[in-house]
Amino acid sequence: GQNIDQPTEMTATEGAIVQINCTYQTSGFNGLFWYQQHAGEAPTFLSYNVLDGLEEKGRFSSFLSRSKGYSYLLLKELQMKDSASYLCAVMTTDSWGKLQFGAGTQVVVTP
Amino acid sequence: EAQVTQNPRYLITVTGKKLTVTCSQNMNHEYMSWYRQDPGLGLRQIYYSMNVEVTDKGDVPEGYKVSRKEKRNFPLILESPSPNQTSLYFCASSLDLLTSGSTNEQYFGPGTRLTVT
Repeated sequence: GQNIDQPTEMTATEGAIVQINCTYQTSGFNGLFWYQQHAGEAPTFLSYNVLDGLEEKGRFSSFLSRSKGYSYLLLKELQMKDSASYLCAVMTTDSWGKLQFGAGTQVVVTP
Repeated sequence: EAQVTQNPRYLITVTGKKLTVTCSQNMNHEYMSWYRQDPGLGLRQIYYSMNVEVTDKGDVPEGYKVSRKEKRNFPLILESPSPNQTSLYFCASSLDLLTSGSTNEQYFGPGTRLTVT
């Protein structure tokens, strides 16, 4: 079966850095997405990785290691508005278009 | 404005009464998908569609039906709703999920909160 694991919750201070890990065990791999979801709102796209390495987008970076089944989302210079749930999703080669999400990591930013 | 719309936003219904949640996008996207979100379980994919007249099951399709007769619309049908289908539902669309780059970004609708009593 498929398994995608993320920590349930992380707390960090404003201005700090937080790293959210995502590990996956899936039958085939065709890319990994990160989404941000504020309470009561819809998810919004942050990043997509299909090749190994680091992708940087402003304060957010995402890393992928396909051989280790591992990704992380790095949030730098944390701001209060970054308090949200961060969702990791894997697209497998089982069925093109099928997405599996982790349960999400709630990040709490404190002053 | 580019967007995904869902209706209704909130619905309380009774067991067994057929209902449809509509989803529409105005971005000419090929890929559309339905998810349900429950506490502690994250988002789970119900059905998805790669293009018109092409639909496939996600991880939790039981009790749901979909259709994709035209590109912009992807309704979710619950023929006989049951209390375990009480959930927050999201529709999403993407220009092309399989191609790396901005085209595989999924845009989500605002969500439909469904309660089945």
